Amino acid sequence: DGGITQSPKYLFRKEGQNVTLSCEQNLNHDAMYWYRQDPGQGLRLIYYSQIVNDFQKGDIAEGYSVSREKKESFPLTVTSAQKNPTAFYLCASSALNEQFFGPGTRLTVL
Amino acid sequence: SQQGEEDPQALSIQEGENATMNCSYKTSINNLQWYRQNSGRGLVHLILIRSNEREKHSGRLRVTLDTSKKSSSLLITASRAADTASYFCATYLRASGNNRKLIWGLGTSLAVNP
Repeated sequence: DGGITQSPKYLFRKEGQNVTLSCEQNLNHDAMYWYRQDPGQGLRLIYYSQIVNDFQKGDIAEGYSVSREKKESFPLTVTSAQKNPTAFYLCASSALNEQFFGPGTRLTVL
Repeated sequence: SQQGEEDPQALSIQEGENATMNCSYKTSINNLQWYRQNSGRGLVHLILIRSNEREKHSGRLRVTLDTSKKSSSLLITASRAADTASYFCATYLRASGNNRKLIWGLGTSLAVNP
């Protein structure tokens, strides 16, 4: 089955810790995206990558970092510099127009 | 940056009724897309309408686009309880070039009561 997987589904972090959220796709898509969603809100773009070894900041990149070493993988690190990291994180990939989403990771800072 | 605004923010209807959601945007677009999100899940693409199209159908979904008013509407006919979800519009800007990112609205929360 083709698709996007995100892990873990739920993640708990202590303040001051960095955590990495996984995103893998086997759709052979060039473009991948990370979004943050807060309760009752729309999607805000954190980072996106249109090709391997290249990525661009989105609207709310501060406190986050990414890498794109492989076409299939686009991990997101939430650093201790992100002051309010508790949120629902969604990864997506795209070949042209339509974006395909993973199931999301809910991050809670304790 | 959000460019789309959905209206209404929340909608509650009875099963069998039609549901209409609207989306307005600010700048010229290449296409407009509608997505559905069930609670706590990822988004699912529903339908795409290009800037040179005025209406598109897919099953019980009907989307219209009025580029002069910079607005779109999503109609779900004969709604079912399973249609309960949040619905988002997203625009792919005409000036994007190779910059393939969508601009998202804030969503309409639809509740279909049995």
